[in-house]
Amino acid sequence: AQTVTQSQPEMSVQEAETVTLSCTYDTSESDYYLFWYKQPPSRQMILVIRQEAYKQQNATENRFSVNFQKAAKSFSLKISDSQLGDAAMYFCAYKGFPLYGGSQGNLIFGKGTKLSVKP
Amino acid sequence: NAGVTQTPKFQVLKTGQSMTLQCAQDMNHEYMSWYRQDPGMGLRLIHYSVGAGITDQGEVPNGYNVSRSTTEDFPLRLLSAAPSQTSVYFCASRLTGGYTEAFFGQGTRLTVV
Repeated sequence: AQTVTQSQPEMSVQEAETVTLSCTYDTSESDYYLFWYKQPPSRQMILVIRQEAYKQQNATENRFSVNFQKAAKSFSLKISDSQLGDAAMYFCAYKGFPLYGGSQGNLIFGKGTKLSVKP
Repeated sequence: NAGVTQTPKFQVLKTGQSMTLQCAQDMNHEYMSWYRQDPGMGLRLIHYSVGAGITDQGEVPNGYNVSRSTTEDFPLRLLSAAPSQTSVYFCASRLTGGYTEAFFGQGTRLTVV
């Protein structure tokens, strides 16, 4: 079974600085998808960025970028120019390639990293 | 756009009571799922459905029932509430296919006393 590990329960960053959140996963599949979700105090789950495993190029979305290392099964999130609004819980998630639908399509989440941003 | 709508947002139950958490989506998504979120545990899958009439168990299905009679609705039933079911519950939906984004409801905070 696939697993997702976020080894940093809490992180802190100074406003305008850069922070990197770690995520590793375990899978025997060669094709899959990886996601970072943000959960602010409002509880809403917001997609931050996603990566297809067969694409070598790292995904970027404005101030958010990932460092995807397929061989190492690592998928870290870098937040540049941190803002107060970035303070939230961040979840890394894995989704298998749904060749046959069913359980391969389920999102598997890590336990989350709580990010605080200091002014 | 309504997206994924969950009701209620908050609920307090007594041990042994039953209730249904409602989830509705208006995006014609085939895939719907229920997660529970507990401190330090992330989100864990309870049940999921790949289409009307098709449901299956996730990681933590015990104590919960689901059905999917329409594409739009995917209710979660607690048959006999227990304090261990105190949690925040999320419903999510998406199109089938690998790269599609999952859309989440606002969550239901359930307390069982």
